[in-house]
Amino acid sequence: LAKTTQPISMDSYEGQEVNITCSHNNIATNDYITWYQQFPSQGPRFIIQGYKTKVTNEVASLFIPADRKSSTLSLPRVSLSDTAVYYCLVGDLRGNMLTFGGGTRLMVKP
Amino acid sequence: DAGVTQSPTHLIKTRGQQVTLRCSPKSGHDTVSWYQQALGQGPQFIFQYYEEEERQRGNFPDRFSGHQFPNYSSELNVNALLLGDSALYLCASSSPGAGGYTEAFFGQGTRLTVV
Repeated sequence: LAKTTQPISMDSYEGQEVNITCSHNNIATNDYITWYQQFPSQGPRFIIQGYKTKVTNEVASLFIPADRKSSTLSLPRVSLSDTAVYYCLVGDLRGNMLTFGGGTRLMVKP
Repeated sequence: DAGVTQSPTHLIKTRGQQVTLRCSPKSGHDTVSWYQQALGQGPQFIFQYYEEEERQRGNFPDRFSGHQFPNYSSELNVNALLLGDSALYLCASSSPGAGGYTEAFFGQGTRLTVV
């Protein structure tokens, strides 16, 4: 399974755009990139998934360069409620045997 | 539509005891996975059940066992509890489909404290 590296923590302010980058140098050809969000004492929640280029949904955007060795989760105009841990995962499609790293602790300040 | 439900929410056990945690998957999902999340760390995959059989297993000792019932609900059993088993235990459900697995939906977890 491809290992992921992401910043341990990030700080931001309300209304700003936040970009969290994840490195996955050993990503395999059939691997997808998935991001989960987790609040304290809750289970992780699926945010977005992509294979290449750009994916956007109502919550976030995911940018994946052509070499797929990294990806960037973009959260537009964050609010205090976006304070959470964000995990970058690489591997099987969505729900199968997820491998979590340490995640990025995002703190949004007023 | 209820999502993934886990019980109990909190549990305190003594070293050496045994514990059973329960999970009901999201409606329409037939695959249940269990994860252990120690404080400050990401969830670690324990095992996955599909069609009432353990299909995949992570790097956990045999003290960790499970079961899946015909209605797709699942149990996680941990024997001979150690202090290090204290963690948030998460259940996730998903389902294989034509385009690959559906996204995993997680429950709120069971907070197990071993004293």
